[in-house]
Amino acid sequence: QKEVEQNSGPLSVPEGAIASLNCTYSDRVSQSFFWYRQYSGKSPELIMSIYSNGDKEDGRFTAQLNKASQYVSLLIRDSQPSDSATYLCAVPSGGSYIPTFGRGTSLIVHP
Amino acid sequence: DAGVTQSPTHLIKTRGQQVTLRCSPISGHKSVSWYQQVLGQGPQFIFQYYEKEERGRGNFPDRFSARQFPNYSSELNVNALLLGDSALYLCASSFDGELFFGEGSRLTVL
Repeated sequence: QKEVEQNSGPLSVPEGAIASLNCTYSDRVSQSFFWYRQYSGKSPELIMSIYSNGDKEDGRFTAQLNKASQYVSLLIRDSQPSDSATYLCAVPSGGSYIPTFGRGTSLIVHP
Repeated sequence: DAGVTQSPTHLIKTRGQQVTLRCSPISGHKSVSWYQQVLGQGPQFIFQYYEKEERGRGNFPDRFSARQFPNYSSELNVNALLLGDSALYLCASSFDGELFFGEGSRLTVL
């Protein structure tokens, strides 16, 4: 059973700070990695995808991938109260188009 | 463009009953996946269909079944409902591995 691990949190940060969300995965041959945001009572929404080692930036979001360490992270700069949500890491097993999701990390940004 | 649409949005059933959930993917997407999400957990994979063929099945009992139609819409059926089937059922259409979710069908089993 391929696993995706996330700290459930909650992670609490002040407004304007950097929030750092982490995810580890067990399948060494996984090639694609996704971050989804889920507001309470809503469905998940794709916010970032990353396929190569290193950093990928999109606005206030940066995804970081280290395949050797089997680790992917999401940084949110200048955190806003509207960023308060659960962040889900999703990783398809190698050769598969079917992502396995972590349990999600709850982020709380307080004013 | 319309996103992924699911129906019904909420439903209440009693133990032993059967339920059918429906999903229409984003236009042009040929793959549909079904996930179950219980409170405090990430979505758990149930089925994936591509071009009307089952491409994957998660660790769910045979009471769960699904199919995909020629227009790429999909149905998820659950028979002999148990209390533990109460959850948010998510449908997603996909392109290049990225999933786009509908709003979900919230099932309560009493």
